[in-house]
Amino acid sequence: QQQVKQSPQSLIVQKGGISIINCAYENTAFDYFPWYQQFPGKGPALLIAIRPDVSEKKEGRFTISFNKSAKQFSLHIMDSQPGDSATYFCAATVTGNKLTFGGGTRVLVKP
Amino acid sequence: DAMVIQNPRYQVTQFGKPVTLSCSQTLNHNVMYWYQQKSSQAPKLLFHYYDKDFNNEADTPDNFQSRRPNTSFCFLDIRSPGLGDTAMYLCATSRDPTPPAFFGQGTRLTVV
Repeated sequence: QQQVKQSPQSLIVQKGGISIINCAYENTAFDYFPWYQQFPGKGPALLIAIRPDVSEKKEGRFTISFNKSAKQFSLHIMDSQPGDSATYFCAATVTGNKLTFGGGTRVLVKP
Repeated sequence: DAMVIQNPRYQVTQFGKPVTLSCSQTLNHNVMYWYQQKSSQAPKLLFHYYDKDFNNEADTPDNFQSRRPNTSFCFLDIRSPGLGDTAMYLCATSRDPTPPAFFGQGTRLTVV
């Protein structure tokens, strides 16, 4: 029940295209859903996060869509750029508890 | 300016030789975490400090220990590294109760 399932494992998108990464969870107690971006050889960086009381959150080219009834959330990267090439991790937590990470998605944006 | 600083960035150690990794933060966050990340995997939480209170994950081997002498510094000690401990070790911080927002660059540990 603590799992967060992330798909796809890898993604190739052309420059200017939309990257979409999906995550699903089981634990309905989760109340915070962050996304992390990790470049090779670097630590993860918090990219954007959402709480279940909203269905969408947008920051620049990055948008989280949240579907509470389906227990799914997704990250959309609009106008993908080569500099967005990285591994993206979704995560979920009950506030005050540890993060449960998805398995990660390696995104490659081709020029 | 780096806010979570890990040293060293790269460390090679011999099988069974104790090693210490360090982390410092300038954020004055009360929670500090240590994660292990193996190639192509998500970070795995080893333990965390809530202020001075140490919280160990149930599946963290006894071989791994930690010290937090003050708010700014935290150390990861691996008493007898095995080949399976080759990984990136990540330090992270947060202000309770929010989850970790700031990660260090990591220490890439290789056990030979």
